[in-house]
Amino acid sequence: DTGVSQNPRHKITKRGQNVTFRCDPISEHNRLYWYRQTLGQGPEFLTYFQNEAQLEKSRLLSDRFSAERPKGSFSTLEIQRTEQGDSAMYLCASSLPGYNEQFFGPGTRLTVL
Amino acid sequence: GDSVTQMEGPVTLSEEAFLTINCTYTATGYPSLFWYVQYPGEGLQLLLKATKADDKGSNKGFEATYRKETTSFHLEKGSVQVSDSAVYFCALSSTGGFKTIFGAGTRLFVKA
Repeated sequence: DTGVSQNPRHKITKRGQNVTFRCDPISEHNRLYWYRQTLGQGPEFLTYFQNEAQLEKSRLLSDRFSAERPKGSFSTLEIQRTEQGDSAMYLCASSLPGYNEQFFGPGTRLTVL
Repeated sequence: GDSVTQMEGPVTLSEEAFLTINCTYTATGYPSLFWYVQYPGEGLQLLLKATKADDKGSNKGFEATYRKETTSFHLEKGSVQVSDSAVYFCALSSTGGFKTIFGAGTRLFVKA
């Protein structure tokens, strides 16, 4: 399968715990994006990488959130001290340079108890 | 800032009915416009796109025309099937932009 993959697909955690999600983009795509989607809403942009450089962060991304893409390939999104309001689907997408069509992964559904 | 507004759902239709889902946008410049679809239990998939005014995107019997004068990108299908039941998202990406801005989504139910 050459699409965008995300792991884990589901994560249940207790409030206050840290969680980390992984995204593997399509191999030749140098742009990588993270979005958050809550029930009944469209995805909301969180952050964007071009290669290993994080070029933009949304105000939605509080200081408890950090994203990395150390070698310009896969990316991780960490949430520290999770809160119930963090419960959502976290989506990763990738694209080729110069193209604004993004390809989405299946998402990681986070439930904070 | 840029935004997308689409009609609220759910929309319930009988099989073979005509579908329209309205979408309007606000953006500076000349954005690219998209319709994404999310089938139950699956990820977002690009359904169709248009990159400039008067372009018509089409796929799987769905169509949408980029109307700059009315800032709209309405989704249409002449005859829906039960398998079209899904959530449809209208979206835009601004010229030179790096993020896609989505509408809230419209859930479509098609009854046999």
